[in-house]
Amino acid sequence: GQQLNQSPQSMFIQEGEDVSMNCTSSSIFNTWLWYKQDPGEGPVLLIALYKAGELTSNGRLTAQFGITRKDSFLNISASIPSDVGIYFCAGLTSSGSRLTFGEGTQLTVNP
Amino acid sequence: NAGVMQNPRHLVRRRGQEARLRCSPMKGHSHVYWYRQLPEEGLKFMVYLQKENIIDESGMPKERFSAEFPKEGPSILRIQQVVRGDSAAYFCASSQLGLLISPGGQFFGPGTRLTVL
Repeated sequence: GQQLNQSPQSMFIQEGEDVSMNCTSSSIFNTWLWYKQDPGEGPVLLIALYKAGELTSNGRLTAQFGITRKDSFLNISASIPSDVGIYFCAGLTSSGSRLTFGEGTQLTVNP
Repeated sequence: NAGVMQNPRHLVRRRGQEARLRCSPMKGHSHVYWYRQLPEEGLKFMVYLQKENIIDESGMPKERFSAEFPKEGPSILRIQQVVRGDSAAYFCASSQLGLLISPGGQFFGPGTRLTVL
């Protein structure tokens, strides 16, 4: 089946630092999504990307849909303690009725 | 508008028992998706249902697992004769439109954490 390779697996940063994480795949996706999951909760959508090359921002978050449609990255600028959580990328193929998720990036922000 | 609701939030079963997980989609949503998440892993798709119909069950184990979304009432994920390997968090998501039309329109519930002793 399709697989998304997400890196890094975990990150430990100081408050105020910028963060970058990415996902790659051997398959083409038509849509890339980035989610955040807090402990004991379900994922919440942060950013959706619909076109190759698209760069989209949501506050301190910026995400890009790779030109090859096989990768995406998420940047968080000026991190704050509430950014702590697990970040997941997810992809949807043109024929897809489901999302394929990456393995997640655990982010820890030290005040 | 209440979000996606799942119950119970925590469920403990002994090996061989049955587990029933319920999901009430958001109001107006007729598409329901079930995912499983093992510790420190991403979510894995199990099944996609649209009122009374199973659209895609390619992620569902062939045995012991079943899902339904009746005309009235919540969607149910049923696991018969549970084994230790079924211990995981099970998430339900719902959407008003299908993913191909509205990929970002899927909303997740808080999950049910199943522990099999």
